[in-house]
Amino acid sequence: DAGITQSPRHKVTETGTPVTLRCHQTENHRYMYWYRQDPGHGLRLIHYSYGVKDTDKGEVSDGYSVSRSKTEDFLLTLESATSSQTSVYFCAISESRGLAGAHEQFFGPGTRLTVL
Amino acid sequence: AQKITQTQPGMFVQEKEAVTLDCTYDTSDQSYGLFWYKQPSSGEMIFLIYQGSYDEQNATEGRYSLNFQKARKSANLVISASQLGDSAMYFCAMRETQGGSEKLVFGKGTKLTVNP
Repeated sequence: DAGITQSPRHKVTETGTPVTLRCHQTENHRYMYWYRQDPGHGLRLIHYSYGVKDTDKGEVSDGYSVSRSKTEDFLLTLESATSSQTSVYFCAISESRGLAGAHEQFFGPGTRLTVL
Repeated sequence: AQKITQTQPGMFVQEKEAVTLDCTYDTSDQSYGLFWYKQPSSGEMIFLIYQGSYDEQNATEGRYSLNFQKARKSANLVISASQLGDSAMYFCAMRETQGGSEKLVFGKGTKLTVNP
């Protein structure tokens, strides 16, 4: 158990409203990630962070912003939600796996977001 | 260009038989890592197995083994003695390193159904 929680777990909102999803970890991992999962697309990286205040874009970052003001929290914000952002959002953390440096990722439980 | 290809959208296997889920990847990096994740119908992402590009032996974790053929750029997951609880989506992923940051790129997944 990598100690990752996401909130909220479910949210329904209307087009044009701002939405913030929170990812919280308890184990002081350096790397944190936000993915979205859609049928037929697998998981796609939105943004990631490699330290406090250090973030970078993934392959589907348009319409999303992130912030990481402390190690344990990584926030994903939809400034003005659209129906195309209806998805399941997963947070992940990366943990070094000994000398192999595998950096396997552990995932949070997911947030199901519906934009009407 | 797709970096991780899973050519089998769906697979069926009889309980207690072995099954192979295919994964091919594309990278010019010398150092990389390959992962398999399981996603049951409950939605969580479960890490199964990891193979590093420099690992000389195929990775094994219980009933899971990874058939790593570096020259062919394939990293197939083999599940021995399938169980009903193995029914799930399975995702292959590759670790990319860019500018000191690491992230995973996922395939679109294979849905495995284990029949009694």
